[in-house]
Amino acid sequence: SAVISQKPSRDICQRGTSLTIQCQVDSQVTMMFWYRQQPGQSLTLIATANQGSEATYESGFVIDKFPISRPNLTFSTLTVSNMSPEDSSIYLCSVGGESSYEQYFGPGTRLTVT
Amino acid sequence: GQNIDQPTEMTATEGAIVQINCTYQTSGFNGLFWYQQHAGEAPTFLSYNVLDGLEEKGRFSSFLSRSKGYSYLLLKELQMKDSASYLCAVSPPEDYGQNFVFGPGTRLSVLP
Repeated sequence: SAVISQKPSRDICQRGTSLTIQCQVDSQVTMMFWYRQQPGQSLTLIATANQGSEATYESGFVIDKFPISRPNLTFSTLTVSNMSPEDSSIYLCSVGGESSYEQYFGPGTRLTVT
Repeated sequence: GQNIDQPTEMTATEGAIVQINCTYQTSGFNGLFWYQQHAGEAPTFLSYNVLDGLEEKGRFSSFLSRSKGYSYLLLKELQMKDSASYLCAVSPPEDYGQNFVFGPGTRLSVLP
């Protein structure tokens, strides 16, 4: 299984600012995913981050609001731009397993926007 | 698209058996997955079903009926540590095993 770390683990940010979340994996993976989990809710996929190409965003999420970088096969960043209180959520990155039907999640970044 | 439904909350007693249902509606399907998520932690993989039938893994079993768009997760010999949210997720055909659509989750409380 993959070991995934995220930074920061939590942050409190002011409205209108931006936060970049880092995701580091201990092995090379082709695809990395970014999810959002709002309080008391399930996970919603934001985008798929592929190394060497543009991220693929799900309906309701746009690159200007959630720019993603994927500079190599072990690292990705998600930026939450021009934040509002509605962006308060847990943001999780994940990667697929070798068997292709498992998915491993990072510990998450708990973001509070005031 | 995918539409996935689960009960919001369930309560059971330590040592008992509980069944958590999941129904889904999809134009294509490549697998159904169950995840456990303790409060404040990341989801962890429990099981998956691709074909109809029952998959058993220790105290946990998962069942799938593709014709009915139905799955359940069965937890036996419940322990206090099983108190968590249980998420079912469906993998659409174009992204087998890689891009999941998650259900709303079922919050299970195990009482002594």
